[in-house]
Amino acid sequence: NAGVTQTPKFRILKIGQSMTLQCTQDMNHNYMYWYRQDPGMGLKLIYYSVGAGITDKGEVPNGYNVSRSTTEDFPLRLELAAPSQTSVYFCASSPLAQGRTFFGQGTRLTVV
Amino acid sequence: AQSVAQPEDQVNVAEGNPLTVKCTYSVSGNPYLFWYVQYPNRGLQFLLKYITGDNLVKGSYGFEAEFNKSQTSFHLKKPSALVSDSALYFCAVRDEDSSASKIIFGSGTRLSIRP
Repeated sequence: NAGVTQTPKFRILKIGQSMTLQCTQDMNHNYMYWYRQDPGMGLKLIYYSVGAGITDKGEVPNGYNVSRSTTEDFPLRLELAAPSQTSVYFCASSPLAQGRTFFGQGTRLTVV
Repeated sequence: AQSVAQPEDQVNVAEGNPLTVKCTYSVSGNPYLFWYVQYPNRGLQFLLKYITGDNLVKGSYGFEAEFNKSQTSFHLKKPSALVSDSALYFCAVRDEDSSASKIIFGSGTRLSIRP
């Protein structure tokens, strides 16, 4: 199993550009999450999904969108990138509410 | 609403000494509690979890955590610290009674072990 795979690993965007951060997991997990981690800070939940076709907002959803058309994929869309979205983004998945969470390696995004 | 707090931004310990990283939580129902470790430029790695049962939970790399319901705490401990334990540690909580199924992370504690 590859686990949770995120692409790309690094990206530089100009203000106003859009992009999609890809996330896929091969563990058949129902729960998937997107977090952002700002320098020296903890994780903030952006969006999460409890199954295909179901998504919900986390703590900091503004400026982002997600979709969950399949169990495996949970892409995060940034529209009109802003410098405040410079961060490291982590995708994660878990099989159950009480299960451990598996994390991807992260995507380091810089908006200039 | 559920929340989790890590009151110390940094913990400094000499190698060979015991270490404690503190975590307190707030949930409306029964908590599911987790500890994760993050090494530089890496994703988070699972250390241990408490769901139910024995209040002392043993995890990876010699770490353990003690669940204390009356104090709503879940402190991470290790009897003898290693320099290689230096990393960023996150406590996380999920509310068993929450329909939202969100896992919330603390702000992190940087553990520094000096030789």
